[in-house]
Amino acid sequence: NAGVMQNPRHLVRRRGQEARLRCSPMKGHSHVYWYRQLPEEGLKFMVYLQKENIIDESGMPKERFSAEFPKEGPSILRIQQVVRGDSAAYFCASSPPDRGFGNTIYFGEGSWLTVV
Amino acid sequence: AQKVTQAQTEISVVEKEDVTLDCVYETRDTTYYLFWYKQPPSGELVFLIRRNSFDEQNEIIGRYSWNFQKSTSSFNFTITASQVVDSAVYFCALSEGVLTGGGNKLTFGTGTQLKVEL
Repeated sequence: NAGVMQNPRHLVRRRGQEARLRCSPMKGHSHVYWYRQLPEEGLKFMVYLQKENIIDESGMPKERFSAEFPKEGPSILRIQQVVRGDSAAYFCASSPPDRGFGNTIYFGEGSWLTVV
Repeated sequence: AQKVTQAQTEISVVEKEDVTLDCVYETRDTTYYLFWYKQPPSGELVFLIRRNSFDEQNEIIGRYSWNFQKSTSSFNFTITASQVVDSAVYFCALSEGVLTGGGNKLTFGTGTQLKVEL
């Protein structure tokens, strides 16, 4: 019973390069979320997706960041032209379809992005 | 706007001591959910518990217990007879209702670093 799978666990990129982070939700889960954890801070919501739909992207930076959850395959968080301030841990989470009283949200192990 | 405050940045205890991690939240909603997660040194986030706002019963799971008090907007977490393996950062989080599409958006506190020493 695999949990939320993220890869890569660690990624180093030079300034100006692109970073792609992948996430496969738990089996049976239709909701995917991305959160960012900056050093010494709590997690901040970025985006909530379902298959082929972005539901809420209120926490996404307006530029350089995008997310998708295609019909087939994992969810992707893409950061273009990375800058040092993008260095953080990026957590993917998933939850099952809503049953009317909220869901438990399970997190992956995180992807640590370092921009040099 | 919702907010979660974990006033204790860091706590150090000696093994076998009991320790309580505080969590205070703010929300205007009557329906909401509270969570606790553990982040050990390896970095992953481990789900510990979820409570909905209509269920104020305290809960005990092994050495862990949670005290939910709506009157003080608090959801405190107690570890009894702490062990070195409990050393981690613990996050409290709040979700207001359910989003369009059925998902939940979590607002996290800044976490409490717990160090359990021999």
